[in-house]
Amino acid sequence: EAQVTQNPRYLITVTGKKLTVTCSQNMNHEYMSWYRQDPGLGLRQIYYSMNVEVTDKGDVPEGYKVSRKEKRNFPLILESPSPNQTSLYFCASSYLGNTDTQYFGPGTRLTVL
Amino acid sequence: RKEVEQDPGPFNVPEGATVAFNCTYSNSASQSFFWYRQDCRKEPKLLMSVYSSGNEDGRFTAQLNRASQYISLLIRDSKLSDSATYLCVVTRAGRRALTFGSGTRLQVQP
Repeated sequence: EAQVTQNPRYLITVTGKKLTVTCSQNMNHEYMSWYRQDPGLGLRQIYYSMNVEVTDKGDVPEGYKVSRKEKRNFPLILESPSPNQTSLYFCASSYLGNTDTQYFGPGTRLTVL
Repeated sequence: RKEVEQDPGPFNVPEGATVAFNCTYSNSASQSFFWYRQDCRKEPKLLMSVYSSGNEDGRFTAQLNRASQYISLLIRDSKLSDSATYLCVVTRAGRRALTFGSGTRLQVQP
């Protein structure tokens, strides 16, 4: 089954404790992206990647890092999480020639205390 | 000003009603337009693309007015299963990100 998976689905952590949210897709997509969703603000792009070892900032990259060492994986790293990073995070992927149609993972609900 | 603006609702309508949502976008360089559906904080899923010529898919009709920078979605004969948040989405030329509105919530009641 074609899908985008994220882990963990739910996470409660404390300020300053480094964490990684994994994202994996099995559709051989070149393009992958991370979004966060906050009430009243919609989904906002954090980082994206157009292929292995190619990443770039989205609209709200501060406090986040990403890496793209393999085509299927695109982890999101919070080196020192803060309460304002409490949010619902979605990973998405698509073919590079068709980024209009992105497939989303199920979401990760993160709470930073 | 937000790049994509939507009325958050909620729109509470009875089954069988016709309901319309609107969305405005501020960037005239916006290139592609979509409606996504999101159920109860689950992942967004593409509902339909929006073209200037209009686009119909069963009970759903989407329309784009580039001159007014306005997108609409019409749902006819509403079903309980249509209850969800509808997200207006645009892309900009040369930029591969999707830019989302904050969504309009629809609640269809029996």
